[in-house]
Amino acid sequence: DQQVKQNSPSLSVQEGRISILNCDYTNSMFDYFLWYKKYPAEGPTFLISISSIKDKNEDGRFTVFLNKSAKHLSLHIVPSQPGDSAVYFCAACTGTASKLTFGTGTRLQVTL
Amino acid sequence: DAGVTQSPTHLIKTRGQQVTLRCSPKSGHDTVSWYQQALGQGPQFIFQYYEEEERQRGNFPDRFSGHQFPNYSSELNVNALLLGDSALYLCASSGRGRLNEKLFFGSGTQLSVL
Repeated sequence: DQQVKQNSPSLSVQEGRISILNCDYTNSMFDYFLWYKKYPAEGPTFLISISSIKDKNEDGRFTVFLNKSAKHLSLHIVPSQPGDSAVYFCAACTGTASKLTFGTGTRLQVTL
Repeated sequence: DAGVTQSPTHLIKTRGQQVTLRCSPKSGHDTVSWYQQALGQGPQFIFQYYEEEERQRGNFPDRFSGHQFPNYSSELNVNALLLGDSALYLCASSGRGRLNEKLFFGSGTQLSVL
């Protein structure tokens, strides 16, 4: 029962262009969504989050969009940089302090 | 300031054995959560400890148990190991409020069950 889905296992984007990573969820009880970035041999690190009462949250080059009716969120990275190459996990929870349910991840490669 | 430290980094066990993984939280953090990440999957929540008690638990069998010590460090124990227990085990710590934005992960322990 995959409650959080990332249907694109990988994505390749040229440096300077926009990267768009997508995530879908099925559990209507989720009210908080987060993106984590993971480099090889390191633990995931928090990137950006959004509450279900918002439809957009922006932090520098990173913007997360939430479409509650479609149960869909996306992470936009503009402009993409080679250092952004990593695995990105979408995660959801009920309340900001409750257990996280992760998607399977999308491997982003930013090419020169 | 050391972040979340986990030991050992790699471990090989055989089916039926028992294993103990250890985690020291980031300085100032009092809550520890454990996640299992199987190959090609996202991390899956096992359980969370604070004030030395299990507070939340994911969908894992009783073979998975834990402990938190007075210094906030934690252990994850898995009994009667199965091949399917092979995974990266991640420990994460957080401070007061246990906000997920303030969750810090360790680099994990890679467990291989043969």
